[in-house]
This record gives sequence, structure tokens and C-alpha cells, in this order.
Amino acid sequence: AQSVTQLDSQVPVFEEAPVELRCNYSSSVSVYLFWYVQYPNQGLQLLLKYLSGSTLVKGINGFEAEFNKSQTSFHLRKPSVHISDTAEYFCAVGNDYKLSFGAGTTVTVRA
Amino acid sequence: GAVVSQHPSWVICKSGTSVKIECRSLDFQATTMFWYRQFPKQSLMLMATSNEGSKATYEQGVEKDKFLINHASLTLSTLTVTSAHPEDSSFYICSAPRGGGSQETQYFGPGTRLLVL
Repeated sequence: AQSVTQLDSQVPVFEEAPVELRCNYSSSVSVYLFWYVQYPNQGLQLLLKYLSGSTLVKGINGFEAEFNKSQTSFHLRKPSVHISDTAEYFCAVGNDYKLSFGAGTTVTVRA
Repeated sequence: GAVVSQHPSWVICKSGTSVKIECRSLDFQATTMFWYRQFPKQSLMLMATSNEGSKATYEQGVEKDKFLINHASLTLSTLTVTSAHPEDSSFYICSAPRGGGSQETQYFGPGTRLLVL
């Protein structure tokens, strides 16, 4: 069994400020880790994924995440956000192509 | 890039009727597709795995007789909510993996919002 906990349901942030979205997971087997973004009225879009290798993963739109096995975490970061980053962000763990999602974090970027 | 479409995007129906939702992979073939549902302010929950040429695999707690899945071709999976009730109102999302091996990525459809009156 696997599960994902996103520790922040809502994160307000000012434009050009940094943001970190926290994600912890639990699993009895090795998994892949993902971050997805969902813009209003759109489907989920993959930001980045960790499969193996380097624990620091870089994704699209300037996002990056760090896999920490000892802390079972996969936190997402962006050093400087834009208004267009306002969206819902989902952390997910996967095994055998099935995904388990966290509850999501709503990021609202203000000018 | 890969695109997955869903139709319809919105559907409102009366209680007791059946609703069919289509999921299509537009520029790639998918022998497997996944169906999720998302309640407001909640996460996506996997409902079932749709398998081309064989029966769907349902997650624990999902009624297979209520949520009929048919993977008619390598680019089309349908989810039929039979005898829909207000508690079935939700956002239904499909996904399809593409790539194979460690590079496989799930592509998600834009979702179908179902409202049962």
C-alpha cells in the first residue's frame, strides 16, 4: 500500500517570491514520485518525476524537487514564482503505473 | 506532445439515468488507461484500470456493475455510470501511459464533470 500526504492545502505567495510545497509519502515497495499541476479547467500536467539516480530533479517551468529517502519526502520548489503559477499542485507516488495522489496544494500567486 | 481527450467535458443528468464518458488517446495507442474520480477539494482516487481486449480491473470499493468500463480499441476507453445518483456527482478523469519502461509518463485528459440531479 502507498499513500501521499501534502502538508499544505493552500499556499499564498507573492510574485517573484520563492515557494516550497511539501510532500511526504509512504510505501512498502520502491515507487516512482511525481508532481503534477492542474490549471483551472484543465487536465493534469506533469511537472517532474523521480525514477532513480540524482535526488534533485528539475522539471518544467523552473520547478525542481528533491527526493529524500530517509525522510520519505519529495518537496517541490521554485525560486521565483509568476502569476501564471497559480494552480493546484498534486504530489503522487506510483508503482506499476498506478498512481496514488495527495490531496493537492492550491498555490495562489499575488502581485 | 501526447494528448488525451475526454468527452463530454460537462454532463448534467437526472437521477436514475446512465451516462457514458469517452477517453481517447489522440496521437498514440494505449493498451491500458486509468479512470480516476475527484471530489471537490479532494485528491484523485483511482477507480479502475481499463485494459484493451480484456476486463477492467477495479480498485477496492468501486462497484464494477455501476461503473462499466469498455476498452473498445487501442485509442478509446469508455466509462459508463449506470443508474446515476447524486452521490455519483464528481469530476472523472482518465489517463493513459505512453513511452514504455522507466520513461513512461501518464497523460491525463481534461476531465468530465458529472452532476446528477
